[in-house]
Amino acid sequence: GNSVTQMEGPVTLSEEAFLTINCTYTATGYPSLFWYVQYPGEGLQLLLKATKADDKGSNKGFEATYRKETTSFHLEKGSVQVSDSAVYFCALSDRGGGYNKLIFGAGTRLAVHP
Amino acid sequence: GAVVSQHPSWVICKSGTSVKIECRSLDFQATTMFWYRQFPKQSLMLMATSNEGSKATYEQGVEKDKFLINHASLTLSTLTVTSAHPEDSSFYICSARERGIRDEQFFGPGTRLTVL
Repeated sequence: GNSVTQMEGPVTLSEEAFLTINCTYTATGYPSLFWYVQYPGEGLQLLLKATKADDKGSNKGFEATYRKETTSFHLEKGSVQVSDSAVYFCALSDRGGGYNKLIFGAGTRLAVHP
Repeated sequence: GAVVSQHPSWVICKSGTSVKIECRSLDFQATTMFWYRQFPKQSLMLMATSNEGSKATYEQGVEKDKFLINHASLTLSTLTVTSAHPEDSSFYICSARERGIRDEQFFGPGTRLTVL
């Protein structure tokens, strides 16, 4: 079945460091790919998405490119801030059964220190 | 736009009681709503998918008689945890998909349930 694998956390960085969180997927067909962010005690917020191969999603300085050849959707940011500390989830849309379910990775906790 | 609310944001109840959690799409019509459960420091596990006006589809291993889902209108879905026990304590999150938009789900802020 479809699945998403994320790098294990926690990831600890100093402010202004470069961030990469790896995400790879297994899927039949051509799913859409997403990154969601969860701040402590809150629900998930969509950070960015890409719907087809070679698409680049971007938002708030974060970027991720849909790489079909490597089945990856790595999240990057050039200069992180303390306010970026959160848990990041990679997800794909599973269109099996017509319901378009989201399948999430395990999540990667990011801690940014001043 | 695309705001989803949940009520209550947290609830504490005694073992054996039932708890109802509401999920509302505030500014759009949600033909499909999803209910997730999240354990501490873990990912979201899909519990069930509900389409307005029809029965919910439960994921394997989720007890449909324990977690009752009703999607009575295009803006409201409810999850009732019946005869709650301490092991049901968790963070419950709903999401909603807007009519005509297939891939994107909008998430509520979550409800923390603690069963004593």
